[in-house]
Amino acid sequence: AQKITQTQPGMFVQEKEAVTLDCTYDTSDPSYGLFWYKQPSSGEMIFLIYQGSYDQQNATEGRYSLNFQKARKSANLVISASQLGDSAMYFCAMRDFTGANSKLTFGKGITLSVRP
Amino acid sequence: KAGVTQTPRYLIKTRGQQVTLSCSPISGHRSVSWYQQTPGQGLQFLFEYFSETQRNKGNFPGRFSGRQFSNSRSEMNVSTLELGDSALYLCASSLARDRVTYNEQFFGPGTRLTVL
Repeated sequence: AQKITQTQPGMFVQEKEAVTLDCTYDTSDPSYGLFWYKQPSSGEMIFLIYQGSYDQQNATEGRYSLNFQKARKSANLVISASQLGDSAMYFCAMRDFTGANSKLTFGKGITLSVRP
Repeated sequence: KAGVTQTPRYLIKTRGQQVTLSCSPISGHRSVSWYQQTPGQGLQFLFEYFSETQRNKGNFPGRFSGRQFSNSRSEMNVSTLELGDSALYLCASSLARDRVTYNEQFFGPGTRLTVL
């Protein structure tokens, strides 16, 4: 079974500074994908970044980068130059690629607050 | 390109009633997944439909059911509502044509269901 762990309490960061949101995972599948989603108070889940288990390089998407350490089973999200609009819940999720399967397993999420 | 749409956005029902939620995926997307989000349990996978067939199912009672139409639109039904069914119900769509397009899973704004 897959498991995603996000244990950080609410995170605070000063505007324009960088912040790292932690995520560890557990799976017995050799092939899987890791995702980060942002959920503002409106409720919609916004896709941020994706990392495949066989990708050689860490994924980057604009101000978002994923610090992927496969041996440690961690996939931390780094947000550079934080903006006030980054205040939201952030979810780490995983999907395995065995069979035809689009199911995502989510962590509990982390609340990020950006201070002006 | 229009995003994933869900209707209604808000719904109030009483215990014992039934409810139907609707999801229209992004044009061309054939996979629709449903998730339940509650403060206590977090985000949990309900089921996934692909080409009108249920392809994957989460660990929910039989009161939760769904279907997908030939135009890929999906409906989710909950019968005999319980207080614990109060949640944000999120729908996600994906091309799900191959391993690469499996990675693109876009969420709708959700339907917030309150059971009194």
